[in-house]
Amino acid sequence: KNQVEQSPQSLIILEGKNCTLQCNYTVSPFSNLRWYKQDTGRGPVSLTIMTFSENTKSNGRYTATLDADTKQSSLHITASQLSDSASYICVVSPSGGSYIPTFGRGTSLIVHP
Amino acid sequence: ETGVTQTPRHLVMGMTNKKSLKCEQHLGHNAMYWYKQSAKKPLELMFVYSLEERVENNSVPSRFSPECPNSSHLFLHLHTLQPEDSALYLCASSHGQWGEAFFGQGTRLTVV
Repeated sequence: KNQVEQSPQSLIILEGKNCTLQCNYTVSPFSNLRWYKQDTGRGPVSLTIMTFSENTKSNGRYTATLDADTKQSSLHITASQLSDSASYICVVSPSGGSYIPTFGRGTSLIVHP
Repeated sequence: ETGVTQTPRHLVMGMTNKKSLKCEQHLGHNAMYWYKQSAKKPLELMFVYSLEERVENNSVPSRFSPECPNSSHLFLHLHTLQPEDSALYLCASSHGQWGEAFFGQGTRLTVV
């Protein structure tokens, strides 16, 4: 069964600090992995998308990494801001079969001033 | 804004009511989706409409009925819901089935 596990479940950091969120998956065969940011009361917004051949991709202060061999991804947030407080969701899509993406439960990040 | 608009933003309904959720996308996409988001759970795919096919999650009860009159509009008709159906219902669209999904703001549904 395809699964996506995210850790930690929640995280509290001080403004200006860095943090790293983890995503482990069992989805196979693999097509792509996306990180979404979801602010409270809003829909998710895509941050990055990574395919099998990509190891790292940045979007401003967000940097995602992918290790397709170990089936792990991380999202690193640099110099956190209060507006980074949100849920971060990892989504992995298969390349065959039903093509239906599998969503993680998300990591809830709170940035304190 | 993401180009995907959902109405209403909030809805409270009794178990005997009938209501509909509406979604409209202005992105020229050809695939639209309904997702359910419950507290502490991953997003759950409910329905997909695209040129290729309609996909249904077989675990979705029949009290949820989708309608897609064209590629820009998607509805979710609700009837005789249960309290456990209370959740955030998200609409999304993409270019091509399973392309990058652009989500609406969601409808917060409370069933009393």
